Amino acid sequence: GNSVTQMEGPVTLSEEAFLTINCTYTATGYPSLFWYVQYPGEGLQLLLKATKADDKGSNKGFEATYRKETTSFHLEKGSVQVSDSAVYFCALSDRGNRDDKIIFGKGTRLHILP
Amino acid sequence: DSGVTQTPKHLITATGQRVTLRCSPRSGDLSVYWYQQSLDQGLQFLIQYYNGEERAKGNILERFSAQQFPDLHSELNLSSLELGDSALYFCASSVGTGVKTQYFGPGTRLLVL
Repeated sequence: GNSVTQMEGPVTLSEEAFLTINCTYTATGYPSLFWYVQYPGEGLQLLLKATKADDKGSNKGFEATYRKETTSFHLEKGSVQVSDSAVYFCALSDRGNRDDKIIFGKGTRLHILP
Repeated sequence: DSGVTQTPKHLITATGQRVTLRCSPRSGDLSVYWYQQSLDQGLQFLIQYYNGEERAKGNILERFSAQQFPDLHSELNLSSLELGDSALYFCASSVGTGVKTQYFGPGTRLLVL
């Protein structure tokens, strides 16, 4: 079945450091890939998405490239800020499925130190 | 603000009780989804409605049910509550079916004592 695996957290970085959160997926069809972010005490917000191989999603300085050959969708940011502290979820939705559900990874908690 | 609203924000109840969670989708969105977020299971899809009809079911217990009304708001009913039902319940909405971006509400935090 479909699944998403992302790196375990928490990840702690200093402000202005480079961020990578690894994400790999397994899908039987043609998935779209997403990164969602959950700030403390809030709901999920869509951060970025990519709908086909080699697409790059980007938003707020974050980027992720849909790599079909490695079944990966790693999240990167060149210079993190304290305000980026949150939980990040990698997710997929598979066009080959009857339903439209999103399958989420377990989430990676990110702490940015000033 | 995603445009999806959920009420109540917090709910505390006792085992064996029944509660109803409410969701209003973004204006114009016909699909509503319910997800459960718990520490042990993570974020899991429960059920999807599209324009008033059930479209897909996920890991939803028989004690749970949902419906979508003609005005497109949705309710998730949880009955015979157990301690393990304590979780954050999210509603999301999208324009239609297929792989569309889902916009999430702020969630309802349920605590069963």
